[in-house]
Amino acid sequence: DTGVSQDPRHKITKRGQNVTFRCDPISEHNRLYWYRQTLGQGPEFLTYFQNEAQLEKSRLLSDRFSAERPKGSFSTLEIQRTEQGDSAMYLCASSPRQGRGTGELFFGEGSRLTVL
Amino acid sequence: GEDVEQSLFLSVREGDSSVINCTYTDSSSTYLYWYKQEPGAGLQLLTYIFSNMDMKQDQRLTVLLNKKDKHLSLRIADTQTGDSAIYFCAESGGSNYKLTFGKGTLLTVNP
Repeated sequence: DTGVSQDPRHKITKRGQNVTFRCDPISEHNRLYWYRQTLGQGPEFLTYFQNEAQLEKSRLLSDRFSAERPKGSFSTLEIQRTEQGDSAMYLCASSPRQGRGTGELFFGEGSRLTVL
Repeated sequence: GEDVEQSLFLSVREGDSSVINCTYTDSSSTYLYWYKQEPGAGLQLLTYIFSNMDMKQDQRLTVLLNKKDKHLSLRIADTQTGDSAIYFCAESGGSNYKLTFGKGTLLTVNP
């Protein structure tokens, strides 16, 4: 399978703990995105990478959140000192470089975070 | 700012047509998209339309775009139980790299 893969699929943690999610994009895609989806809502943009450069961060991404894409391939999203409000599905997506395709995002199946 | 609105629920009988509507605010959107999300699965692109088009047909799917009213619709002909899912409308805005999604329309197809 050459789609976007995310790990873990589900994480249950206690409030105050740190969690890290990993995303492996489609190999030829140089753009990578993190979105957050809560129950009854559509995905909300968190951050975007082009290769290893993080080019935009949403206001939703507080200073407890950090995302990296060190070699321009896989990415990690870390949440420090988790709060119950962080409970959500964290979606990763990738896309080809600008000028190729229709701007379509290819999504992974998501990592569901439950903070107790 | 960017905003995408869509009705939350739609229920149809198997074999009928389904029409899901969406309104958006960003007139600079180059593309508009319909994504489908099945339970426990990620979002999958269903279809898209370029902003200079009025209509796009793809098998059972028909997308209509009214740029003047900033209204987008998705029609599914001969709706099947396998079409039951949440359908998200999304716009690209002027950024060319991020999408703004609506809250999704839950389509329920009754046998």
